[in-house]
Amino acid sequence: EVQLSESGGGLVQPGGSLRLTCAASGFTFSYSAMTWVRQAPGKGLEWVSSISGSGSNTHYADSVKGRFTISRDNSKNTVYLQMNSLRAEDTATYYCAKVSSGYDYWGQGTLVTVSS
Amino acid sequence: YELTQAPSVSVSPGQTASITCSGDKLGNKNVCWYQQRPGQPPILVIYQSNRRPSGIPARFSGSNSGNTATLTISETQAVDEADYYCQDTTTAVFGGGTKLTVL
Repeated sequence: EVQLSESGGGLVQPGGSLRLTCAASGFTFSYSAMTWVRQAPGKGLEWVSSISGSGSNTHYADSVKGRFTISRDNSKNTVYLQMNSLRAEDTATYYCAKVSSGYDYWGQGTLVTVSS
Repeated sequence: YELTQAPSVSVSPGQTASITCSGDKLGNKNVCWYQQRPGQPPILVIYQSNRRPSGIPARFSGSNSGNTATLTISETQAVDEADYYCQDTTTAVFGGGTKLTVL
């Protein structure tokens, strides 16, 4: 059974940093690209970043480029999202998802709140 | 690149619901559709514009032509009430979402 579990969310001040972690199990992790998608309270889905199975290719939404960094550790079946220079508009639930033909499995999400 | 969805669609139980997603030359792209119930993560219901993942009822179907992709839910049930999002898999952009109300 595929399982994805996010952690690392919380309350952070504007300009601060957080690192989100997504622990995966139930599939061959190194074969799968992974992605982060966020959802601001009461709003729609926004793609944030994706990483290839090897970790050699990464992509970012313009809204986070230069501030967020996606990475993965295939030995730990884990993908990370390092978020720096956080802004109020980054407040959202952050989901990690497995990439196949579409995002076929999603975690439950972790809430990030950026506020003073 | 933008994908446009109507904010809301209403349907009576047992009837057919159609949810559309518009974008420039969208018919040349692969589109996914996701269902999201309140407080839950999204679920993939259609990929490659018209294919259903295992476990998704056959009531869900998709089409894509010209500038419009369509998610069709036949014999709509109360359990289908949710937000639905389209996504262009080339750009990863999501539509704004459509709230489906079954009443």
